[in-house]
Amino acid sequence: EVQLVESGGGLVQPGGSLRLSCAASGFTFTNHYMDWVRQAPGKGLEWVGRITNTPNNYITNYAASVKGRFTISRDDSKNSLSLQMNSLKTEDTAVYYCARDWAASMDVWGQGTTVTVSS
Amino acid sequence: QSALTQPPSASGSPGQSVTISCTGTSSDVGGYNYVSWYQQHPGKAPKLMIYEVSKRPSGVPDRFSGSKSGDTASLTVSGLQAEDEADYYCSSYAGSNNYVFGAGTKVTVL
Repeated sequence: EVQLVESGGGLVQPGGSLRLSCAASGFTFTNHYMDWVRQAPGKGLEWVGRITNTPNNYITNYAASVKGRFTISRDDSKNSLSLQMNSLKTEDTAVYYCARDWAASMDVWGQGTTVTVSS
Repeated sequence: QSALTQPPSASGSPGQSVTISCTGTSSDVGGYNYVSWYQQHPGKAPKLMIYEVSKRPSGVPDRFSGSKSGDTASLTVSGLQAEDEADYYCSSYAGSNNYVFGAGTKVTVL
């Protein structure tokens, strides 16, 4: 079964850091770009960023709202995707989804992990 | 990058059709044939329904169809069923390895 499972969410104070993880299974992880998408409470989907799949030459791209604060990485040996979030703001509060990128769309999604930024 | 424009709500009776629009610019929807649509039920993860403007992934009923004209893409759900009641989001490739989503449309089956 093709599956993505996120973990690492929680409560963090403004200005703090958090690292999210996404474990992939059931497909060839190295064949795919991977994305992070978030959804603030009661709001719509927002693309966060993407990482390509070329070994030793991964390219990352980010939404303007997180650029310089968030970093996406992957460990192909562990079929794992990560999102390092620094300098967190209250507006970063959201459910964070990892998603498999395919044909410029996201065809497989995890169940999401909740990040709450609050003092 | 501004969000794509979708109507906040749409509705139809069972068996009827509903069409949702998604308006962008020549830098996203109008510039690429990479529009996708997602269905999201409350508390659930989004599900891909349409990719590359009009293609359906395996397992998606053919009641769902997509199209595009200029800077506006559309999703049509024909033969509405109760389980189609959900939020629907469009997305487009926006160049420079970026994506943009619409604000979402809540579809109600009357």
